[in-house]
Parts: sequence; C-alpha cells; structure tokens
Amino acid sequence: DGGITQSPKYLFRKEGQNVTLSCEQNLNHDAMYWYRQDPGQGLRLIYYSQIVNDFQKGDIAEGYSVSREKKESFPLTVTSAQKNPTAFYLCASSIRSSSNEQFFGPGTRLTVL
Amino acid sequence: GEDVEQSLFLSVREGDSSVINCTYTDSSSTYLYWYKQEPGAGLQLLTYIFSNMDMKQDQRLTVLLNKKDKHLSLRIADTQTGDSAIYFCAEALYSGGYQKVTFGTGTKLQVIP
Repeated sequence: DGGITQSPKYLFRKEGQNVTLSCEQNLNHDAMYWYRQDPGQGLRLIYYSQIVNDFQKGDIAEGYSVSREKKESFPLTVTSAQKNPTAFYLCASSIRSSSNEQFFGPGTRLTVL
Repeated sequence: GEDVEQSLFLSVREGDSSVINCTYTDSSSTYLYWYKQEPGAGLQLLTYIFSNMDMKQDQRLTVLLNKKDKHLSLRIADTQTGDSAIYFCAEALYSGGYQKVTFGTGTKLQVIP
C-alpha cells in the first residue's frame, strides 16, 4: 500500500536536546513538507522540499533543520534553539510542488519536558 | 497578504446540515481546499474548488465560493456523528513553480446524536 508514514507517534524529550522526526513516503512524490500544528493556530509551514537534495525555509523555520538525501525521506530535526517545540508535527507530500493535493502522514506529537 | 480565518467551533445535531465558513484575503489564490482532520491523525483532502468556479457539489458536500467577498463555505448535508472532526480551509497561491498552501485555523465540528 502506498502512503506516508511518520514515526514515532508520540515523542518525549528533555529540554535542550535535539530530536529528529521521521517522515517516509512510497508514493514517488517529488515534493515534501513539514508543518507544525498548535491549538487554534492551524498549520504553519516549517520547511518544504520540491525535489531531492533541495529544500527551502517555510514561515517558521527558525530552530528546525531538514535534509532530503533520498526522494522517499524528509527528516525534521527540532534543535535546542527552538524556543517552544512542544507541538503536533505533520509531514506531507505531493506529486510535484505545483500539485493540488498534499497527502498527509498521521503526525508526531512531540512533548518537551 | 495571506490570512485564512475560520470560526473555531460548530455544534450541530445529527441529521441537520452543517455550514463551515472561511474567509481569505488573497484574491490571487488559484485553488481553495477543504481538509478534514480526525483526532490524532493527519489531514485528509475532502474537496477543492478552482478559483474561477462558484460552486462544487460532491455527494453530501457543497462548496460555495464568493470571490467578491473572499468567502468560502463547506456545507455538509445530513451530518453524521462520523463527520465530527476539525475542518480546515486552505488557499493555494502559485509562485515560481511552487504552490504555497496557507491553512486556516480549523473549525471543530461537533455532531450531537
């Protein structure tokens, strides 16, 4: 079955530690995205990648980093520089960056203690 | 600018119609979307409308677009308890080969049996 997966579903980290969230897709999509979701604020774009080995900052990239070494994978690292990292993180992909539909993963809830 | 607004909460009785409203500010948007998010899950695309259309109907869903007022609505006929979820509207702006999608804050729909 084709789809987009995120792991783990729940993640706990101590303040000051970097943490990497996984996102994998087997849809053969070129474009991938990371969003952050906070209550009452909708989704905000952190980073996006239009093609392998390329990525751009979104609206709230500070304190985050990404890589896109493989088409299937777009991991997000939440660094200690991110002031308020506790949130629900959603990964998405689309056939191309100009495509209509984004397909979303199930999300990872990160809690920083 | 890009700013998509929705009311945060809507409660309806099972069998009634639900109308979820959204306003956006950028008249250059190409597509407008409605996504559904069930608890603890990612977003699922419900329907979308091209900016030169006024209405789109898909089974129980009706989307109305008023470009003059920059107003988008989603009507769900015969609302069921399974429709309880958060509904996000989103607008897409095409720029430089990339379709940037801006999401609203989400409307939580509660269906009362």
